Amino acid sequence: AQSVTQLDSHVSVSEGTPVLLRCNYSSSYSPSLFWYVQHPNKGLQLLLKYTSAATLVKGINGFEAEFKKSETSFHLTKPSAHMSDAAEYFCVVSVGYGGATNKLIFGTGTLLAVQP
Amino acid sequence: DAGVTQSPTHLIKTRGQQVTLRCSPKSGHDTVSWYQQALGQGPQFIFQYYEEEERQRGNFPDRFSGHQFPNYSSELNVNALLLGDSALYLCASSLVVGQGGSPLHFGNGTRLTVT
Repeated sequence: AQSVTQLDSHVSVSEGTPVLLRCNYSSSYSPSLFWYVQHPNKGLQLLLKYTSAATLVKGINGFEAEFKKSETSFHLTKPSAHMSDAAEYFCVVSVGYGGATNKLIFGTGTLLAVQP
Repeated sequence: DAGVTQSPTHLIKTRGQQVTLRCSPKSGHDTVSWYQQALGQGPQFIFQYYEEEERQRGNFPDRFSGHQFPNYSSELNVNALLLGDSALYLCASSLVVGQGGSPLHFGNGTRLTVT
């Protein structure tokens, strides 16, 4: 069965320093992976997606993630954190079902705090 | 272009009552999925509707039911509410695709509190 594991429940960085949010996945076949962000009292916004094209995926707001099959990882990075990046981040794997739109399996989330 | 809209934004109910949550998908989308997000946790898949039928279902009891209308909008109904049903309920819409990860567009959710 497909699943994702987010290795850190909380990450704190200083503004202007790099961000690394870690995610490992488990899948019996080539997965579709996503990162979503959720700001307080808001819905989920798609940051980026991997669907077996380029292994380095660029997303919105300067985020990117690298798919590493050998390590079963899909870590999210950003070179320089901004205060507005403070939010909860979810690593997500897509589970296929015939020809219908896939359902999503979410990780437990990583809460990113950005210190001034 | 309106995104996914959900109503109401907040709701307070008493144990044993029934509740109906509503969702209008993003323009052009035909598939609606519902997720439950308990406090401090990631969203969990409840079910998905396409062509007015439930296509997939997560590990939720029959107290959770839904409906999709011809205009693609959807309702989530929960009967016999329990305290544990308190959560943020998220609606997501998308287009049916053949394969791969079709990104879902999420609404801002309905915060349900059961007392």
